[in-house]
Amino acid sequence: EIVLTQSPATLSVSPGERATLACRASQSVSSNLAWYQQKPGQAPRLLIFDASIRATGIPARFSGSGSGTVLTLTINSLQSEDSAVYYCQQYNNWPWTFGPGTKVEIK
Amino acid sequence: QVQLVQSGAELRKPGSSVKVSCKASGDTCDRCSVSWVRQAPGQGLEWMGRIISLLGIADYSQRMQGRITITASKSTNTTYMELSRLTSEDTAVYYCARGLDTFDFWGQGTVVTVSS
Repeated sequence: EIVLTQSPATLSVSPGERATLACRASQSVSSNLAWYQQKPGQAPRLLIFDASIRATGIPARFSGSGSGTVLTLTINSLQSEDSAVYYCQQYNNWPWTFGPGTKVEIK
Repeated sequence: QVQLVQSGAELRKPGSSVKVSCKASGDTCDRCSVSWVRQAPGQGLEWMGRIISLLGIADYSQRMQGRITITASKSTNTTYMELSRLTSEDTAVYYCARGLDTFDFWGQGTVVTVSS
């Protein structure tokens, strides 16, 4: 089973700044990685799939990059509504697994 | 637009089973493939299994194997997830989501509480 590690666990960023979230895999996931955003009391929301493709309706300030064992989610010009927990998920090796999440707080 | 509507909250005793439903609607969901993901209180997400609705074929996480059954009714566009031999560690919010690999539409979640 592929283990995903996310860093940092918590990130505090001022509005308008950039947030960079990392997802590290215990073995290569190629580009078979997705990112989700989850706000309290809500279901997760798909942001990025195939490492870098934005899902329908996702603002351009969200971008994904990387492949292999180190992948990154970048949120440019952070807005207050971006306060949430962000999870990465790999679908390269069975079974699919999620990372533990990064909590993004707005200063 | 796709909508996934799940059944209501459940309270179960240890050792019992629970069955959660997920009804799909929307013009792009005639043959939705559905996955199930759960989230224990204050914890992260855990993928449980999926069903290719058109074929009725299900795959399960090894961790759940033997306790989980996912089925689908094509006539009602409803997917079911049944989990047996419940313990307190199965207390969680259970989500259904459209997709086999990535999940673009999610149900609202069903709270399952296991307590004596």
